[in-house]
Amino acid sequence: GEDVEQSLFLSVREGDSSVINCTYTDSSSTYLYWYKQEPGAGLQLLTYIFSNMDMKQDQRLTVLLNKKDKHLSLRIADTQTGDSAIYFCAVNQAGTALIFGKGTTLSVSS
Amino acid sequence: DSGVTQTPKHLITATGQRVTLRCSPRSGDLSVYWYQQSLDQGLQFLIQYYNGEERAKGNILERFSAQQFPDLHSELNLSSLELGDSALYFCASSVMAGGPRSYNEQFFGPGTRLTVL
Repeated sequence: GEDVEQSLFLSVREGDSSVINCTYTDSSSTYLYWYKQEPGAGLQLLTYIFSNMDMKQDQRLTVLLNKKDKHLSLRIADTQTGDSAIYFCAVNQAGTALIFGKGTTLSVSS
Repeated sequence: DSGVTQTPKHLITATGQRVTLRCSPRSGDLSVYWYQQSLDQGLQFLIQYYNGEERAKGNILERFSAQQFPDLHSELNLSSLELGDSALYFCASSVMAGGPRSYNEQFFGPGTRLTVL
């Protein structure tokens, strides 16, 4: 089955850029997603990328996709303390389920 | 607020017991998904219903079952509970049935925290 791997923790200082990485095994997913989970809350879609794109930019967020290496990354520019959360990458399994990585906890210090 | 509601917010019960978690999807969404989030397993997909029918099945134990009712709300039933079932259970909903070729944003509820003592 599908496997999605992420590093578990990332610590940055306010104003720096954060880069969260994800690797996946199944390349059948047409869309790849980044979700954000704030403390005590459910997940919320942050951004997504279509599989025929290499890059997508959305304000402070940049998503990079390397299909050959099956590598997805999320860059947050000018990281703020309010960006502290858990970030999940997710891909569609054959079928309809979203398969999530275990999440990267981003800690932003001032 | 995602528009997905889950009740109860917290549930504390004993081993061997049975509980029911409830989810109301966003207005207009036909798909409901159930996920289990634990520290060691991460976020695991359990099961999906689309317009009342089971659509996809993940790592759902035989002790667990779910259904989606005609008004589209869903219930997840957990029985013969074990300590290891303690987790956060999320419900999500989406408009479409989904699939690997289609864009399928899922909207998550706030979760039900289940503690089995």
